Amino acid sequence: AQSVTQLDSQVPVFEEAPVELRCNYSSSVSVYLFWYVQYPNQGLQLLLKYLSGSTLVKGINGFEAEFNKSQTSFHLRKPSVHISDTAEYFCAVSSSGNTGKLIFGQGTTLQVKP
Amino acid sequence: KAGVTQTPRYLIKTRGQQVTLSCSPISGHRSVSWYQQTPGQGLQFLFEYFSETQRNKGNFPGRFSGRQFSNSRSEMNVSTLELGDSALYLCASSFTGAAEAFFGQGTRLTVV
Repeated sequence: AQSVTQLDSQVPVFEEAPVELRCNYSSSVSVYLFWYVQYPNQGLQLLLKYLSGSTLVKGINGFEAEFNKSQTSFHLRKPSVHISDTAEYFCAVSSSGNTGKLIFGQGTTLQVKP
Repeated sequence: KAGVTQTPRYLIKTRGQQVTLSCSPISGHRSVSWYQQTPGQGLQFLFEYFSETQRNKGNFPGRFSGRQFSNSRSEMNVSTLELGDSALYLCASSFTGAAEAFFGQGTRLTVV
């Protein structure tokens, strides 16, 4: 079975400060890893994904994440956040086969303060 | 190209009724997955359809069912609604699987 743990339910940060949202996963098979963002009353937007290859993955809006297989982690980082980054962020995992099934973490609310 | 379209966006139903939600995937996509999002349980996988066949299923009671048509549009049905079924229902479409999934805006279901 696969599982995802997002270590922080809320992360407050001041505008232009760096931020890291933490994600650990558990799986007995090869996985794909994802970060999604959700704005109020909206669906999920893909920020970035790790499928294979380079462990440092760059996404949209200046976000990046690093896949660490030994620590089973996939932490999301941004060097300088904006007010508009305030949203809920979800880490997700799927097995690397042909499946549409995603297992999500509980989410981290990023609160960017002026 | 057009994104994933879910209809309706908002729905209010009475306990005991049934409801059908619709998801139109991106053109060419053959996989449609459904998720339930609630404040208490978070995002939970309901089921996935691929080329009209259910390929994966989550841990939900039999009151939750779905189907996919030959044009890849999918519907999910919830019978005998309970208050706890109030949630945001999201669908995601992809060509083959989760590696390239796109989500719709969701249907907000309120059961009263």
